[in-house]
Amino acid sequence: DTGVSQNPRHKITKRGQNVTFRCDPISEHNRLYWYRQTLGQGPEFLTYFQNEAQLEKSRLLSDRFSAERPKGSFSTLEIQRTEQGDSAMYLCASSLGSAVMSEQLFFGSGTQLSVL
Amino acid sequence: GNSVTQMEGPVTLSEEAFLTINCTYTATGYPSLFWYVQYPGEGLQLLLKATKADDKGSNKGFEATYRKETTSFHLEKGSVQVSDSAVYFCALSEWGANSKLTFGKGITLSVRP
Repeated sequence: DTGVSQNPRHKITKRGQNVTFRCDPISEHNRLYWYRQTLGQGPEFLTYFQNEAQLEKSRLLSDRFSAERPKGSFSTLEIQRTEQGDSAMYLCASSLGSAVMSEQLFFGSGTQLSVL
Repeated sequence: GNSVTQMEGPVTLSEEAFLTINCTYTATGYPSLFWYVQYPGEGLQLLLKATKADDKGSNKGFEATYRKETTSFHLEKGSVQVSDSAVYFCALSEWGANSKLTFGKGITLSVRP
């Protein structure tokens, strides 16, 4: 068990460019979540997957954002035409996906995005 | 909708002091409640949880009791250590099967030797 891995750790881009982040969850985990965290705030839910199916998307996720989990393993989060307001820490988490409501989420260290 | 409110920070304490971090919530139904901690340079990790009213979660000397009547889940520790310096987040997951979390803003705790 190597934990949840996110790449890159840091990304600096110019406004208008596209960026893509990758998340590798813990291997046996069926659920994968994306959160966004800005300075001084708690993480905000963006979207989650059960295996390869994207089951819920927050209204925070504008049409410039897209997430995929093609084979139910790793996931990517792409932001098109980045804006300065997209600057944040993007967190990925995974969980077993059992029927237990209160199951633990395991978080990665995040990707820090800076849009200049 | 669901929300979590944490007391304003940061908090600075001397080693061995008593710690209380307040957390209240608003939710429909019967949420589960959590405290997550983020140590410097690390990802969020679960500290403790409680799944129903009057449950007490505990771990590493920290405790929190699920109080439905006051919609609260305050975090306490009798004697803090320098190694407890971190950011603490209160969170809830609503009834359902997806375990999605709603977080508070977090509070930074610094413990002086």
